[in-house]
Amino acid sequence: EVQLVESGGGLVQPGGSLRLSCAASGFSFGSSWMNWVRQAPGKGLEWVAGIKPDGGEKYYVDSVEGRFTISTDNAKNSVYLQMNSLRVEETAVYYCVKDGGWCHDYWGQGALVTVAS
Amino acid sequence: QSALTQPRSVSASPGQSVTMSCTGTSSDVGAYNYVSWYQFHPGKAPKLIVYDVTKRPSGVPDRFSGSKSGNTASLTISGLQAEDEADYYCCSYAGRNIHWVFGGGTKLTVL
Repeated sequence: EVQLVESGGGLVQPGGSLRLSCAASGFSFGSSWMNWVRQAPGKGLEWVAGIKPDGGEKYYVDSVEGRFTISTDNAKNSVYLQMNSLRVEETAVYYCVKDGGWCHDYWGQGALVTVAS
Repeated sequence: QSALTQPRSVSASPGQSVTMSCTGTSSDVGAYNYVSWYQFHPGKAPKLIVYDVTKRPSGVPDRFSGSKSGNTASLTISGLQAEDEADYYCCSYAGRNIHWVFGGGTKLTVL
């Protein structure tokens, strides 16, 4: 059974940093693209970042480029999202998402990140 | 504002059918047959229910079906059941620069 479990969410002040972690199990971690997708309160979904299985390619939505970093640790079957210079409008539930082909076939339950003073 | 446009809500009675739309552009929905749909139930992990426009993952009932015409994709749920009440989001691949775009979600109410 595929499981994705996020951790590391919480309250952070504007301009602060937070690191999200996602522990994956139940599939060949090194063979799947992994992503982070977020949902702000009352809003739709937004793809934030994606990483190729070997970590060789990383992609970001324009609004987080230069501030967020996605990474993986294949030995720990984990994917991370380092978020710096956080903004109030980035308050959201952040989902860890596995790709299967050309879709996102498994999602975690999400981690809430609140950016507020 | 989300990249893909979905109706905020739809409703129907048990046993009936409902169709919800997902409108994009010629750069995303219209350009690729990589539209997928996701079901969000409160407190549960989101679930993939349709991918590659029309395909269903194993375990998803054939009451769920997807289609696409031009820049608009659609999800149809037939034989509605109470447990289908949820939020539904569409997603499309949008090329190597944008990657993935999502809709704003449609809340399905089973009356």
